[in-house]
Amino acid sequence: ETGVTQTPRHLVMGMTNKKSLKCEQHLGHNAMYWYKQSAKKPLELMFVYSLEERVENNSVPSRFSPECPNSSHLFLHLHTLQPEDSALYLCASSPPARPRETNEQFFGPGTRLTVL
Amino acid sequence: ILNVEQSPQSLHVQEGDSTNFTCSFPSSNFYALHWYRWETAKSPEALFVMTLNGDEKKKGRISATLNTKEGYSYLYIKGSQPEDSATYLCASWGGNEKLTFGTGTRLTIIP
Repeated sequence: ETGVTQTPRHLVMGMTNKKSLKCEQHLGHNAMYWYKQSAKKPLELMFVYSLEERVENNSVPSRFSPECPNSSHLFLHLHTLQPEDSALYLCASSPPARPRETNEQFFGPGTRLTVL
Repeated sequence: ILNVEQSPQSLHVQEGDSTNFTCSFPSSNFYALHWYRWETAKSPEALFVMTLNGDEKKKGRISATLNTKEGYSYLYIKGSQPEDSATYLCASWGGNEKLTFGTGTRLTIIP
């Protein structure tokens, strides 16, 4: 167990639905990340939050909207997605102290999203 | 090399045999190389973080080496066991917020 949890683990939604993915960690980390993994592709970084401020948005379409209300929680709000958005969405966090020098990240188990 | 590349993509190894696989990464702007072990339906778990050229790290039967000048790292597993079956990911860090991942090597141990 890495200490990073994600809910739900599986989600099926229609293109007109609105849903949210949740990530939680109580490891004292101050940076949180959303990644997307599509079949046979590397993990792609979507968003980075550091000290609850978004520091990177990796050219992600606006139908994905992240929210970081505090350093322990990260959300990904989903709206009018397309079938090609079906993928595994992973959350990660990293600590503020010395290990951050290597950008060591701790991952959740992911949410498997299917868009119909 | 502009991206992180891993080879082979998949590997079947007989239980008890030893194996190794490769991660190639850009050698410029290098800060750290990460290895993760990812079992199906679980979280990727960190195996090693390596920063220094010539570094070698070991955890039980698994070890890794790093060559930052030529941009490659090897992961070795000695005496493979069924529980070693997983996808092994490497990721390079160039000092910004971003880890750049390879596509992974999927290892299956045959009992």
